[in-house]
Amino acid sequence: NAGVTQTPKFQVLKTGQSMTLQCAQDMNHNSMYWYRQDPGMGLRLIYYSASEGTTDKGEVPNGYNVSRLNKREFSLRLESAAPSQTSVYFCASSEARGGINEQYFGPGTRLTVT
Amino acid sequence: QKEVEQNSGPLSVPEGAIASLNCTYSDRGSQSFFWYRQYSGKSPELIMFIYSNGDKEDGRFTAQLNKASQYVSLLIRDSQPSDSATYLCAVPSEGGYQKVTFGTGTKLQVIP
Repeated sequence: NAGVTQTPKFQVLKTGQSMTLQCAQDMNHNSMYWYRQDPGMGLRLIYYSASEGTTDKGEVPNGYNVSRLNKREFSLRLESAAPSQTSVYFCASSEARGGINEQYFGPGTRLTVT
Repeated sequence: QKEVEQNSGPLSVPEGAIASLNCTYSDRGSQSFFWYRQYSGKSPELIMFIYSNGDKEDGRFTAQLNKASQYVSLLIRDSQPSDSATYLCAVPSEGGYQKVTFGTGTKLQVIP
């Protein structure tokens, strides 16, 4: 049981390049999330998917797109990377039980855009 | 106004002391509250959740909730150097419990 996995772990991009961050979970959770974490800013929600086939914007969606490929996989795409997108990206999944929604996080992707 | 407020710290306590971490929130309708721990360079992990007024204890950790004053706190008794981490408070976002809003976190340093 691997939990939540993310690839790649590290990435350096030049401004304008594109890339896709991959996330997969093996806990059969319905909900999946993408966050970015910047110093002093905490975790900010980019997009989330409440269930397979649905996606919604979070707090900071501009410059990103997502795809919920199936129940297990949720990818985040940067179409034209900008230095402001330098950050640590975390994927998470959850299954609400009794109104309690515990999120399980992947190990993160450290992205630098030069 | 931010939905969740935490003092960024660092909060330094000597080994064996009680560490007290506080969080205030703006949505009076919030029903459940979470404390996550994040070691440097690692991902957050849930350590406590609470949804009733009062105290909830789990080992050396106690979560305290005061809905009237809109704050939730985390007490760590007999603090250990291994407790040194950033502690994130999280509250379900307005509009549904599937999303949560995280505070910016309080960095705790336990001095041996």
